[in-house]
Amino acid sequence: QVQLVQSGAEVKKPGASVKVSCKASGYTFTDYYIHWVRRAPGQGLEWMGRINPNSGATNYAQNFQGRVTMTRDTSISTAYLELSSLRSDDAAVYFCARPSGVIAATGHNWFDPWGQGTPVTVSS
Amino acid sequence: DIVMTQSPDSLAVSLGERATINCKSSQSVLYSSNNKNYLAWYQQKPGQPPKLLIYWASTRESGVPDRFSGSGSGTDFTLTISSLQAEDVAVYYCQQYYGIITFGQGTRLEIK
Repeated sequence: QVQLVQSGAEVKKPGASVKVSCKASGYTFTDYYIHWVRRAPGQGLEWMGRINPNSGATNYAQNFQGRVTMTRDTSISTAYLELSSLRSDDAAVYFCARPSGVIAATGHNWFDPWGQGTPVTVSS
Repeated sequence: DIVMTQSPDSLAVSLGERATINCKSSQSVLYSSNNKNYLAWYQQKPGQPPKLLIYWASTRESGVPDRFSGSGSGTDFTLTISSLQAEDVAVYYCQQYYGIITFGQGTRLEIK
């Protein structure tokens, strides 16, 4: 079955960077974008950006420009999210998610499945 | 970016009663060329990722109980749970995919 499995919980100090992985299985990794979404405590879902695993092209939300880097390794069907210069308000659960439609099928951008989530704690 | 505003922020409903959650977008998410509303609904329970319930504003995802329904068009949308069950306690989100993806702030649904 289609599945996204993320790396485990992280604890980081303010100013550090964190890198979260998302391993895909059950489908052709390069056929679908991977998106990243986070949920901070007491907050709603926040879209961070997406990567085209085929080309490596990325689109980042304006709120994260300059601090976020999304990459992928097609040999192991894994996408990565790296967030730098961490602040206390970056403490959140980070999710990867796959849209319903393939890259060529524009507009089918509802998400299923999602990864299980990676909690990131930022504390000195 | 399109701003999605849900109401209410929280809601308490008795078991077996109807629950209604509203979602309003700052601009229309109806794409005129295909007459589809680019709007999805998700359910999130503690410690779990969001679960897709509805897409195209009113199309129920396979396996989702038929007590869940979505309606609306343009800028105003509604998620209705016709007869609340205990397992429906969760936070519900709307999401637009017409433009840069944005979510509503969430509505917490509890049992009265």
